[in-house]
Amino acid sequence: DAGVTQSPTHLIKTRGQHVTLRCSPISGHKSVSWYQQVLGQGPQFIFQYYEKEERGRGNFPDRFSARQFPNYSSELNVNALLLGDSALYLCASSPGRGEFSTDTQYFGPGTRLTVL
Amino acid sequence: AQSVTQLGSHVSVSEGALVLLRCNYSSSVSVYLFWYVQYPNQGLQLLLKYTTGATLVKGINGFEAEFKKSETSFHLTKPSAHMSDAAEYFCAVSDVKGDSNYQLIWGAGTKLIIKP
Repeated sequence: DAGVTQSPTHLIKTRGQHVTLRCSPISGHKSVSWYQQVLGQGPQFIFQYYEKEERGRGNFPDRFSARQFPNYSSELNVNALLLGDSALYLCASSPGRGEFSTDTQYFGPGTRLTVL
Repeated sequence: AQSVTQLGSHVSVSEGALVLLRCNYSSSVSVYLFWYVQYPNQGLQLLLKYTTGATLVKGINGFEAEFKKSETSFHLTKPSAHMSDAAEYFCAVSDVKGDSNYQLIWGAGTKLIIKP
């Protein structure tokens, strides 16, 4: 089975632009989470979606938004990009059948975003 | 708020030596604990997790971790290091408080270096 896939792998944008990152979960997984990983730090939680509904939101500004589609794929949108948004953006999927706290999350390889 | 501390941003051991990566979390309430590994240019992969039951948890690739509630610790060990273990290791915790706004809180990571 294919793992979590993310596109694009790399992206270069300039300040003020908008970006859309895409994620396809493992087949059968209904929950998708997004994380930001700045170089040298651990991942920071941005959003979790389950069955197309937002179930969790981290401490990120409203410039960050996401959605989940009927096929459970997901998009992360970031508006008005800042230099500090440069990071690796990770998507993770999980089955979502049980308690979310114990679900194993399966990560994609990430999208490396550079903001100039 | 929950936080995770990983002692040592870099740990260097000789091939064949014991690996010990330290993780402490801040809250004394019930938690679930995870260790993930990240190889260069790859996503995060689950090594092991503690949810309930036995406090010594065995994971993949010969790693294990022991949950010590009194010490709020979840240190990762492997008896004999291999060159292939060189990677970055992340400890993460989730609160057992239901499924509302579920999120994983991550440590900053420890880069494991294996000397020949």
